[in-house]
Amino acid sequence: GENVEQHPSTLSVQEGDSAVIKCTYSDSASNYFPWYKQELGKRPQLIIDIRSNVGEKKDQRIAVTLNKTAKHFSLHITETQPEDSAVYFCAAGYRDDKIIFGKGTRLHILP
Amino acid sequence: DTAVSQTPKYLVTQMGNDKSIKCEQNLGHDTMYWYKQDSKKFLKIMFSYNNKELIINETVPNRFSPKSPDKAHLNLHINSLELGDSAVYFCASSRGAPPRAFFGQGTRLTVV
Repeated sequence: GENVEQHPSTLSVQEGDSAVIKCTYSDSASNYFPWYKQELGKRPQLIIDIRSNVGEKKDQRIAVTLNKTAKHFSLHITETQPEDSAVYFCAAGYRDDKIIFGKGTRLHILP
Repeated sequence: DTAVSQTPKYLVTQMGNDKSIKCEQNLGHDTMYWYKQDSKKFLKIMFSYNNKELIINETVPNRFSPKSPDKAHLNLHINSLELGDSAVYFCASSRGAPPRAFFGQGTRLTVV
């Protein structure tokens, strides 16, 4: 079935350190993998995405990697800052533009 | 000039009532969605429409009925509200290929 697993559910890192969030998806036909950031009381916002014909994509302090064989993809945030504290969701795009979300990772940046 | 807007932002109502949430997007997108976010923050897809046509209908009680009068609008009507319907409901839209989804600000529904 269509499923996205996300780990960890909670992550605390020291300011300035890196954070990594990992996801797996179930359907090998999935070809689109977005990441969303949701701050408290706000809407989820797209921060970066990757398509299945690309293995890695970087945007300033954020990078995503995709391993299609293993059906894994990851979000890497370097030099973390207090404003990075939020809930992060990975997602996978299935047929009919169906977007299935992981259960979220609550990221805490410690001073 | 908000891209995806929902109304109302907050909705408090009694069990058994019928209520509607409206969503409009001015991005020219063809696909619109409704997602439910529960107290644990899980985002679950409920419905999607493409050009006014129902595409995705997840296992949602038939008390929930979406309506799309045109491709810029997707409303959600809920009959006979139950306590378990309390959640934040997000509308979203995407153009497709890839389906980059943009979310509305959410409607916090509280059933008492």
